[in-house]
Amino acid sequence: QKEVEQDPGPLSVPEGAIVSLNCTYSNSAFQYFMWYRQYSRKGPELLMYTYSSGNKEDGRFTAQVDKSSKYISLFIRDSQPSDSATYLCAMSFSGGGADGLTFGKGTHLIIQP
Amino acid sequence: DSGVTQTPKHLITATGQRVTLRCSPRSGDLSVYWYQQSLDQGLQFLIQYYNGEERAKGNILERFSAQQFPDLHSELNLSSLELGDSALYFCASSAHADGKNTEAFFGQGTRLTVV
Repeated sequence: QKEVEQDPGPLSVPEGAIVSLNCTYSNSAFQYFMWYRQYSRKGPELLMYTYSSGNKEDGRFTAQVDKSSKYISLFIRDSQPSDSATYLCAMSFSGGGADGLTFGKGTHLIIQP
Repeated sequence: DSGVTQTPKHLITATGQRVTLRCSPRSGDLSVYWYQQSLDQGLQFLIQYYNGEERAKGNILERFSAQQFPDLHSELNLSSLELGDSALYFCASSAHADGKNTEAFFGQGTRLTVV
């Protein structure tokens, strides 16, 4: 069982739809959770950074963490064609301290105009 | 632009050779991380340096090594290269090793092709 599972997609939705992206993980010691967006052949770009369970909202993006279920989600409202990219969930034990990030393999998202 | 600079952007080399990848972190960031991204493995953490010292190791091969210099730039050395080492190599930096403001920002990567 991989530490972080993420459906690779592709996930194709029409413009304006609400997108839901998810990851599950197996190690309950993870405390910090992130979502990155990666365009083709570019570096990952940090979208959301959360600590422990709860919700965090930033513009059209909402991140949810449910530590009891070991499940994290990213919601994108009013999706735009420019949101088409690969979305990677990532997590760490110490918030970027003495350990690196463990990534899911990413979900390829396509927003149809 | 994340503020993390990686050079070169592309590198093509032969099997058995050695290459050096370079990373300049964001201004003020003390931690540097190296990651490898391949199609089958995804993004894998290799190694972390904090203010010149090695802090954490991930899935880094013995043929690979890294260092961080006094000016905080870092180099990743890959030796005895194999075809399977072909991948995107990313550097990331963050402000602290043990603090709260520890979001990691990634560079644009070096695409290594071993032929």
